[in-house]
Amino acid sequence: QLQLLESGPGLVKPSETLSLTCTVSGGSIISDNDYWGWIRQPPGKGLEYIGTIYYSGMTFYNPSLKSRVTISVDTSKNQFSLKLTSVTAADTAIYYCAKSLMPYSRPYFDSWGQGTLVTVSS
Amino acid sequence: EIVLTQSPATLSLSPGERATLSCRASQSIDSYLAWYQQKPGQAPRLLIYDASNRATGIPARFSGSGSGTDFTLTISSLEPEDFAVYFCQQRSNWLTFGGGTKVELK
Repeated sequence: QLQLLESGPGLVKPSETLSLTCTVSGGSIISDNDYWGWIRQPPGKGLEYIGTIYYSGMTFYNPSLKSRVTISVDTSKNQFSLKLTSVTAADTAIYYCAKSLMPYSRPYFDSWGQGTLVTVSS
Repeated sequence: EIVLTQSPATLSLSPGERATLSCRASQSIDSYLAWYQQKPGQAPRLLIYDASNRATGIPARFSGSGSGTDFTLTISSLEPEDFAVYFCQQRSNWLTFGGGTKVELK
């Protein structure tokens, strides 16, 4: 059974870079049928799409975050990663990684990690 | 950006009752809409995709309908485990989520 697990620092200082990794187990990240994505959720609020990546490295970003976001993939480790630069308190959220239901760059997500809370504070 | 507006914000119902949740798009999204269920401390769970298709393992009491700008998620008879927050998501023009509807125990 496919599992996704987010990892990374739970506390980031303002103006610094948030870095998270999603490790995929129970399946290969090299799949013609899957895109891999990041979604975040401020505590008690709604969901915000960050971006998606294909195993080839092709990426698609939310236009509102595009200038600060980089998503990359490491197929040798079955992982993909998120970097968000110049963070502020508004970036405090639970960050989820997820797998697409179908091979669309802007997909629905049918498998999710448990989420990891990242707090931006000095 | 396509804005999805969900209503009501909160729905207070009893087990066995029918729940009807609405999601309205700011412009037509054809049938490119999904519904998710989220319980406290858990990740969202895909229920419905392309407006009316149930995801794998989703009980038949969940159904979706609509196209264009108006969509509905119906839970025909609420089970105790259905009390949760429900989000809609569109993938027609980039990808956005609605603000959510909380289905709470009356």
